[in-house]
Amino acid sequence: AQRVTQPEKLLSVFKGAPVELKCNYSYSGSPELFWYVQYSRQRLQLLLRHISRESIKGFTADLNKGETSFHLKKPFAQEEDSAMYYCALKGNFNKFYFGSGTKLNVKP
Amino acid sequence: ETGVTQSPTHLIKTRGQQVTLRCSSQSGHNTVSWYQQALGQGPQFIFQYYREEENGRGNFPPRFSGLQFPNYSSELNVNALELDDSALYLCASSPGTSLRTDTQYFGPGTRLTVL
Repeated sequence: AQRVTQPEKLLSVFKGAPVELKCNYSYSGSPELFWYVQYSRQRLQLLLRHISRESIKGFTADLNKGETSFHLKKPFAQEEDSAMYYCALKGNFNKFYFGSGTKLNVKP
Repeated sequence: ETGVTQSPTHLIKTRGQQVTLRCSSQSGHNTVSWYQQALGQGPQFIFQYYREEENGRGNFPPRFSGLQFPNYSSELNVNALELDDSALYLCASSPGTSLRTDTQYFGPGTRLTVL
């Protein structure tokens, strides 16, 4: 079965602390993975995708096929990073699977 | 370039009724996907249309159907509404072909309440 798991519903950190939002996936093929973000009162938007291997707003995510993980990391959290984060997988036949989301709260 | 729009913003229906939700994609975007997002959950993929044909479907029953039009608009139709259909419905458009994954641009959603 194709599935995305985000084990943490809420993650609270202080400003300047490192952040890691966990994402594990289940997929038998070669996955395409994404992180989406939703800031307060804004739309869901793409943050980054694994094939781009880029850093967006200081966030990076590395695909670990051995651990079937795609954790999102940032070395120093900022208050403006507070948002809802969703990990997503593109599976077979153009189907997309989203995790249940992690709410990141960065405290001053 | 205008963004993705959805209408209506909110909708209240009763069980057994039918509903049509509308989405206007960004100009030039050939692909539109629809999602259902229940409270506290992530978006659940309903289906995807590419150039007016369905080219991907999630685990939703046939009473969920869609249409995509040449003018970059699309519809999600739900027949025989059930209480569990209460959710936020999102559409997302992307410019690419069905063979590669482009950035999806999401609309603000339609909040459907079934009583």
